[in-house]
Parts: sequence; structure tokens; C-alpha cells
Amino acid sequence: NAGVMQNPRHLVRRRGQEARLRCSPMKGHSHVYWYRQLPEEGLKFMVYLQKENIIDESGMPKERFSAEFPKEGPSILRIQQVVRGDSAAYFCASSPGASSYEQYFGPGTRLTVT
Amino acid sequence: GQNIDQPTEMTATEGAIVQINCTYQTSGFNGLFWYQQHAGEAPTFLSYNVLDGLEEKGRFSSFLSRSKGYSYLLLKELQMKDSASYLCAVRAAYNTDKLIFGTGTRLQVFP
Repeated sequence: NAGVMQNPRHLVRRRGQEARLRCSPMKGHSHVYWYRQLPEEGLKFMVYLQKENIIDESGMPKERFSAEFPKEGPSILRIQQVVRGDSAAYFCASSPGASSYEQYFGPGTRLTVT
Repeated sequence: GQNIDQPTEMTATEGAIVQINCTYQTSGFNGLFWYQQHAGEAPTFLSYNVLDGLEEKGRFSSFLSRSKGYSYLLLKELQMKDSASYLCAVRAAYNTDKLIFGTGTRLQVFP
């Protein structure tokens, strides 16, 4: 059973470009969470999605950031017009549903904005 | 507000026991988690506490006191591979599964 997959593992973008980060949850998992980890800081919650629904986006910046989890395919975190402050590791986690408490994390995407 | 505190760094010797403390102040509480994270890698789940008391799992144990807003992770028979960051996280609400993380405690194990 493959774990949570994220790609790309490393992404370099110039200021003003768009970044698209993909997350494929574990098989059978319908809940996806995105977290951001800035250098030397803790993980910060961004958004919680179920298939085709955003459940909690209280941690998402108001502008430039969006997330989706379509019926088919991976969850995508999209950052438009990236700035240097967006440089961070972005982790995706998945869980089977409300009855499960554990979130399984993917290996992360390290975004560098030059 | 939501606040989770844990020491920034700790050191210990191989074979010893170390206790990593975590205090939290959150608007709600629906479980406390400990994760291990090696540098450059994904966090991996270690333990979950939702009721007061001690949960033991091999060399690792986790304790929770909800009235004190306090938890600790106990690592016994330390090994070099235990050198990592240990993240304390709280699920603060019932209607969302989001986790609120502390900044993590970087543990260094010396021979």
C-alpha cells in the first residue's frame, strides 16, 4: 500500500511565477490536509479538503493561494505570483475519514522562490 | 488564541531516558499527537492521547493531563537514530481534523 505521494519533491520558481503542488493520498483515504513548514518553524495548517469540498481553509492566505481535491486525480495546492516568502516545505497529509485520528504525511515539496 | 509550547532543543546520551514536555492552550481539545521528523523528511506518527494517562508503545510513551494542558513524550533506551525533531500537535476542534503544531523539539543523541 503506497503512502502519501507528493510531487514534485523540489520546485524552483522565479518571483511572479505560479507553483502547483500535487498530493495523492493513500489508497482509501478521502481526507487531505495541507501544511506549510517555514525554515526553523513548526508546521502550520493551511487547508483541509474532502473530495470536491473544502472543509476548512482557515489557514490559507487570503490571496494567491488556492486548493482543490477533485473527484478524480490528486489534490492540488496552487500558489500564484509567488514571492520569496513562499519558500518553504509544503506537506500533504491524508486520513481515511472522521473515525480515524491519524494523519499520514507525504514527503513534502520544497519550494524555492528565487 | 492557540498556543503550543515545547523546548527548542534537548540533548541526551545513547541508552538514556529523555522526557520532552509540551504545554498547550487551545480553544478546544480533541486529542494530542506526537510526531517524529528527521531532517528533510516527512513527520511520522508516534502516539495519540485523548484521555488522561499514559500510553505506552515500545520504547516510547506519551502522557496527557487535560486539566493541566500538559503532555510529555518519554523515550527510553535512546538510540542514535532517535536524533530527530519531535512535534507536539493538538486537534483543537470537533468539526475539523486540522492539527495545531508546536515548533518542535530537536533532540540530539550522543554516543
